Amino acid sequence: GAVVSQHPSWVICKSGTSVKIECRSLDFQATTMFWYRQFPKQSLMLMATSNEGSKATYEQGVEKDKFLINHASLTLSTLTVTSAHPEDSSFYICSARTGGANYGYTFGSGTRLTVV
Amino acid sequence: AQSVTQLDSHVSVSEGTPVLLRCNYSSSYSPSLFWYVQHPNKGLQLLLKYTSAATLVKGINGFEAEFKKSETSFHLTKPSAHMSDAAEYFCVVSPYNTDKLIFGTGTRLQVFP
Repeated sequence: GAVVSQHPSWVICKSGTSVKIECRSLDFQATTMFWYRQFPKQSLMLMATSNEGSKATYEQGVEKDKFLINHASLTLSTLTVTSAHPEDSSFYICSARTGGANYGYTFGSGTRLTVV
Repeated sequence: AQSVTQLDSHVSVSEGTPVLLRCNYSSSYSPSLFWYVQHPNKGLQLLLKYTSAATLVKGINGFEAEFKKSETSFHLTKPSAHMSDAAEYFCVVSPYNTDKLIFGTGTRLQVFP
């Protein structure tokens, strides 16, 4: 089945630094990937839709200059949290739509970001 | 606007007893509906999905859900709970003709021996 690999699974960084999270589709091409944020014991909130070869579409209230998304190839999307602050600490999850008649959405295993 | 409501934030059952996790949706047109499970600090795994075919949808691990348009519901059930079913469950709607997923607030299922 379709697999989405997300890396790293956890990261700790200092305030003011930037962190890059990678999301790869391993055995299929993903023209569209999605980035979600999940606060402890809360639901997933869509941050942005990442489109291969074009600019990402951000949800209302998400700072595009803070959360940089790049989708340079059909198998890789990256989310960079720039100038991270403690309030950016969260669980970030990517997903990709798998096409065809049996379409669905495959999720990465998530990245736990802690900013100290 | 499309939305999904999970009526219970926590559900506790004994092992071997039935599971019912409730979900109601709001959508102007025929949506696609999903149930996902999330184990602690893990990604999400698809249990099942409804995409306007059969209203009773069978998923993995013995779970199933019934789409009831008249009640705008998509409740998740399992005849007999297993300890390994303890996790967070999300009901998700994808509005008609979009790629977006809208998540419910989740239901934490606890299974007692």
